[in-house]
Amino acid sequence: DQQVKQNSPSLSVQEGRISILNCDYTNSMFDYFLWYKKYPAEGPTFLISISSIKDKNEDGRFTVFLNKSAKHLSLHIVPSQPGDSAVYFCAASAGGNTDKLIFGTGTRLQVFP
Amino acid sequence: EAQVTQNPRYLITVTGKKLTVTCSQNMNHEYMSWYRQDPGLGLRQIYYSMNVEVTDKGDVPEGYKVSRKEKRNFPLILESPSPNQTSLYFCASSSGGGYTEAFFGQGTRLTVV
Repeated sequence: DQQVKQNSPSLSVQEGRISILNCDYTNSMFDYFLWYKKYPAEGPTFLISISSIKDKNEDGRFTVFLNKSAKHLSLHIVPSQPGDSAVYFCAASAGGNTDKLIFGTGTRLQVFP
Repeated sequence: EAQVTQNPRYLITVTGKKLTVTCSQNMNHEYMSWYRQDPGLGLRQIYYSMNVEVTDKGDVPEGYKVSRKEKRNFPLILESPSPNQTSLYFCASSSGGGYTEAFFGQGTRLTVV
């Protein structure tokens, strides 16, 4: 059973507009969430994270929103740039003294001119 | 330069022939993990380690072994590879487990025929 779901396999957005990537989870024990970006032939790289005690975290063009009651988080990219074209994974952690991370299936974002 | 190094980058092998994929990090991180990436399934954690001689299973540990004899190294061992282990493998390290960003290697594409 997929505990972290990214229901949109792909998203296409025009340069300069907002990109919204969504992620849903089922396990209420998750208390920390991270987004990673992956380019072809490279390993994933960390983008932004949020703790369950917050509902928003912002870093430059990237903002993550968390709705705990809906078990939903979203990543907003404003404005979108062609260099943002990549696969985006959300990940969830139940924290504690472990490194156990559950990743979603990823959303491929394409930003066109 | 802070990095996670995996070797080899590409490997084709035959069913049943034991192989080891090496992973090394130079950031003095305590936490290290192995993931596999498959189409439509995202990243799935195989094993993780919280320190030297401390390892635990992730979501898909069957058919794999790991060891953590030194802090910097975390090899992945396939004792008897099978075609369903054909995948893209990533090693990652972090300073604080699931609450901190993970640094990923560039990946190892394994084909078992």
